[in-house]
Amino acid sequence: GENVEQHPSTLSVQEGDSAVIKCTYSDSASNYFPWYKQELGKGPQLIIDIRSNVGEKKDQRIAVTLNKTAKHFSLHITETQPEDSAVYFCAASMHGGSQGNLIFGKGTKLSVKP
Amino acid sequence: DGGITQSPKYLFRKEGQNVTLSCEQNLNHDAMYWYRQDPGQGLRLIYYSQIVNDFQKGDIAEGYSVSREKKESFPLTVTSAQKNPTAFYLCASSMGSRFEQYFGPGTRLTVT
Repeated sequence: GENVEQHPSTLSVQEGDSAVIKCTYSDSASNYFPWYKQELGKGPQLIIDIRSNVGEKKDQRIAVTLNKTAKHFSLHITETQPEDSAVYFCAASMHGGSQGNLIFGKGTKLSVKP
Repeated sequence: DGGITQSPKYLFRKEGQNVTLSCEQNLNHDAMYWYRQDPGQGLRLIYYSQIVNDFQKGDIAEGYSVSREKKESFPLTVTSAQKNPTAFYLCASSMGSRFEQYFGPGTRLTVT
């Protein structure tokens, strides 16, 4: 089955700097890769996603890149702000299959220092 | 105001008791999911349902049961057979297996 590895587990940056979180997946059939932001005590919030027919997607200060050959994808946050501090999870799924289930990485705790 | 609601936010039970966690959505989504989250871990799938009156086991279904009698509701029962029930439980829904999943606020269950 699918396995998703996420690095780093913790990341501390200064406000205004960029942050990059990387994930690798094992199943080449996976074709959908969402990123979630989870604040303390709350449910995960979908912030951006990418499908395997696209190499990069941007939404304001966040972007996701996908390398299908290497089976890895990354989240890029530019001009970080203190409110970006949270735990970020990547996930992989085979959309269109009978399940569509998400396999999650273990998360990255991002701290943005003012 | 559309969304996914989970109740209660905090739940305490004694060991050996069954407990049912509520999940309701008014998004008209066909698919619903239950995940378990432990400290420092990613989310792991317990059960999912793609349509009313049908559900499938996820990766860690042992000690749990679900029902899907209505499209908007997908309750999860944590039975006494679950060895380590204390965790944060998250419900999600999507239009179907090809669409984005959206999560509820979660229920933190503590069993002593």
